[in-house]
Amino acid sequence: ETGVTQSPTHLIKTRGQQVTLRCSSQSGHNTVSWYQQALGQGPQFIFQYYREEENGRGNFPPRFSGLQFPNYSSELNVNALELDDSALYLCASSGDLGGETQYFGPGTRLLVL
Amino acid sequence: AQSVTQLGSHVSVSEGALVLLRCNYSSSVPPYLFWYVQYPNQGLQLLLKYTSAATLVKGINGFEAEFKKSETSFHLTKPSAHMSDAAEYFCAVSGSGGYNKLIFGAGTRLAVHP
Repeated sequence: ETGVTQSPTHLIKTRGQQVTLRCSSQSGHNTVSWYQQALGQGPQFIFQYYREEENGRGNFPPRFSGLQFPNYSSELNVNALELDDSALYLCASSGDLGGETQYFGPGTRLLVL
Repeated sequence: AQSVTQLGSHVSVSEGALVLLRCNYSSSVPPYLFWYVQYPNQGLQLLLKYTSAATLVKGINGFEAEFKKSETSFHLTKPSAHMSDAAEYFCAVSGSGGYNKLIFGAGTRLAVHP
């Protein structure tokens, strides 16, 4: 069984640029959630995708957007990067909605200069 | 709205001593509760979860947590700390609204001294 993978592991961008982060969900999982973890803080929910549809969104602006593909992998796109977007971005997959356990990938560390 | 409070951003114990990491939650409905561990420069690993089946939940690496509804608590314990337990620990509650977003506490950094 393959776990959750994310790419790239690290990324450096400058303010105003755009970035795409990728996530492959665990085998058999159809739900992907994205979280932002700023330094020294707990993860904050960005949004969730269930069977290719956005199924809930946290308190993040529209410049944070996502996609889920038929194979349930997912992308997180961030436009017009700001310095405060520097964080660890975590992807988690789960088998279904409700109280199902979420399994996390190793994360992508984004630095915005 | 659901929320999680972790008391103590830093906890330091000696190797072999009891580990106690505190978590209190706020929820209007019976929650699902989780403890995750994060080692440096890594993602989150599930330690254990509470889903209303039993109030005392056993997890990996010798950790366990007890759900106390009257105290709205879900504290994490381990009888004897090991050096390898040094990490950041996060308590989380499942959100409501038809999808299972996780609401995390701010985390507790556990240091283990020889």
